[in-house]
Amino acid sequence: GENVEQHPSTLSVQEGDSAVIKCTYSDSASNYFPWYKQELGKRPQLIIDIRSNVGEKKDQRIAVTLNKTAKHFSLHITETQPEDSAVYFCAAKFNNDMRFGAGTRLTVKP
Amino acid sequence: NAGVTQTPKFQVLKTGQSMTLQCAQDMNHEYMSWYRQDPGMGLRLIHYSVGAGITDQGEVPNGYNVSRSTTEDFPLRLLSAAPSQTSVYFCASCFFGGNEQFFGPGTRLTVL
Repeated sequence: GENVEQHPSTLSVQEGDSAVIKCTYSDSASNYFPWYKQELGKRPQLIIDIRSNVGEKKDQRIAVTLNKTAKHFSLHITETQPEDSAVYFCAAKFNNDMRFGAGTRLTVKP
Repeated sequence: NAGVTQTPKFQVLKTGQSMTLQCAQDMNHEYMSWYRQDPGMGLRLIHYSVGAGITDQGEVPNGYNVSRSTTEDFPLRLLSAAPSQTSVYFCASCFFGGNEQFFGPGTRLTVL
């Protein structure tokens, strides 16, 4: 089955700096790669996603890049704000099977 | 729309007890799934369903049963609870062939 690895497990940045979270996946047939944000005690919420036929996608301060050859994808958050502090999960999907990374706890210090 | 709802929010069980976690959605989604979330391990897929009458196993199905008699409901059953099943359980749904999954608020289960 699919295996998704996520790094780093924790990330601390100063407000206004950029944050980058990286994930690798094992199944080359995976074709959908979402990123979820989960605040403490809340449910995961989709923040951005990318399909396998696209290399990059951007939504305001958030961007995701996908390298299918290397089987890795990354989340980029620019101009970070304290409200970006949360746990972020990457995931990879093949057919009906979604596999998640272990998560990155992002702390944005004011 | 209520979206995806789960009951109960919290539950404490003794080892060996059984219970059912409820999940319902009112978005007419064909696909529904159950995940468990443990510290440092992300979310792991337990079971999923692509429509009424159809269920399949995910990554960690042992100790759990599911059924899908209607499009709206997807209950998760623990037949004989074990301490290893202490976790937060999330139900999610989406349109079949779609990708964005909508998560329920979660059920925090403790097995003593």
